Amino acid sequence: AQTVTQSQPEMSVQEAETVTLSCTYDTSESDYYLFWYKQPPSRQMILVIRQEAYKQQNATENRFSVNFQKAAKSFSLKISDSQLGDAAMYFCAYRRAKVASGTYKYIFGTGTRLKVLA
Amino acid sequence: EAGVTQFPSHSVIEKGQTVTLRCDPISGHDNLYWYRRVMGKEIKFLLHFVKESKQDESGMPNNRFLAERTGGTYSTLKVQPAELEDSGVYFCASSQRGGFKGNTIYFGEGSWLTVV
Repeated sequence: AQTVTQSQPEMSVQEAETVTLSCTYDTSESDYYLFWYKQPPSRQMILVIRQEAYKQQNATENRFSVNFQKAAKSFSLKISDSQLGDAAMYFCAYRRAKVASGTYKYIFGTGTRLKVLA
Repeated sequence: EAGVTQFPSHSVIEKGQTVTLRCDPISGHDNLYWYRRVMGKEIKFLLHFVKESKQDESGMPNNRFLAERTGGTYSTLKVQPAELEDSGVYFCASSQRGGFKGNTIYFGEGSWLTVV
């Protein structure tokens, strides 16, 4: 069974600094997708960034980038120039690329709460 | 365009009582999912609807949980009778199609349930 592990329950970063959130996963599949979701307090959970496993190039979205190490099964999120609005719970998630049943289940980690200090 | 909306946002009930959570997916989204996060733990899949049909309910914890999606629009998740371990955040999500390409899954804010 696939698992996702986020070993940092909480992280803090100074405004304008850079922070990296860790995520490791376990799977026997070769084709899958990885995601980082963000949930600000009392707000909807939104997609921050996604990575297709077959792509070697790390995904980037503005200030957000990932370090995808497929062999090590590691998928960390780097937030550059941190802003107060980045404060949120961040969830790492895994999803198989193809399923027989038609249900694309997401496997989530336990989350990392990011605090941004002014 | 309205996002996925969930009601209530917070609910506190006594053990043994019944609670019904509601989810309105984004209009036109055939796929609707329920997930749950017990405090401090990971978000776990509960079930998946395609229109009004249950595609996969393998994550439902036990028969105290009943999900419905009459007419393929909004969905309800009823917990009866509620137990202390049912406390957590219940997320609803929807997507237009099942495949990855073009399948962006949108989550609601979650319904926080506390059973005392």
